[in-house]
Amino acid sequence: TQLLEQSPQFLSIQEGENLTVYCNSSSVFSSLQWYRQEPGEGPVLLVTVVTGGEVKKLKRLTFQFGDARKDSSLHITAAQPGDTGLYLCAGVNHGGSQGNLIFGKGTKLSVKP
Amino acid sequence: GAVVSQHPSWVICKSGTSVKIECRSLDFQATTMFWYRQFPKQSLMLMATSNEGSKATYEQGVEKDKFLINHASLTLSTLTVTSAHPEDSSFYICSARDDWASGVSTDTQYFGPGTRLTVL
Repeated sequence: TQLLEQSPQFLSIQEGENLTVYCNSSSVFSSLQWYRQEPGEGPVLLVTVVTGGEVKKLKRLTFQFGDARKDSSLHITAAQPGDTGLYLCAGVNHGGSQGNLIFGKGTKLSVKP
Repeated sequence: GAVVSQHPSWVICKSGTSVKIECRSLDFQATTMFWYRQFPKQSLMLMATSNEGSKATYEQGVEKDKFLINHASLTLSTLTVTSAHPEDSSFYICSARDDWASGVSTDTQYFGPGTRLTVL
């Protein structure tokens, strides 16, 4: 069974601070996605990383895919209150019949002004 | 961009009744849709994969007779929770994969806004 472990589960920081969220697995994924979810809403895709060692930037967010494609990280620079939300990583399970997603448990981020 | 809608956005029902949730892809065709369940403070758990024109594929531990899935068209999948009980109360989220996606990963799923089900 493929599992994704996210850490930390909860993170409460002050505006302007930097933070990193980790997503780790013992399994290799063909690609990995990061989502952000607001309470009472569906998750919104932030990025997909495909190549081992790949780094993608989205404004103040930097996503990295491990060389072995087993882990990923999300780094936020100078966090803002608008970054508050649940961050989910999801691995694409090509071992399944439909290429479905396997989600980590999420990191709940709270950025205080 | 690709938009997925869900209806209703929330529903409250009595124990023993059935509830139908609709998932629509508004501006694209989706042969494959996915149904997830999310309990409070937990992540999304895949319940089943819905395939247009064929039977859904259920994940281990999900009762197919309790969670009926119908994917009758390329833009609509429905999830019916039959004989709902309080333990079925949850946030149900669907996603859809664009059949004709170009310029994006074919692994991209577009998520609906979710349906909050409360069974009294």
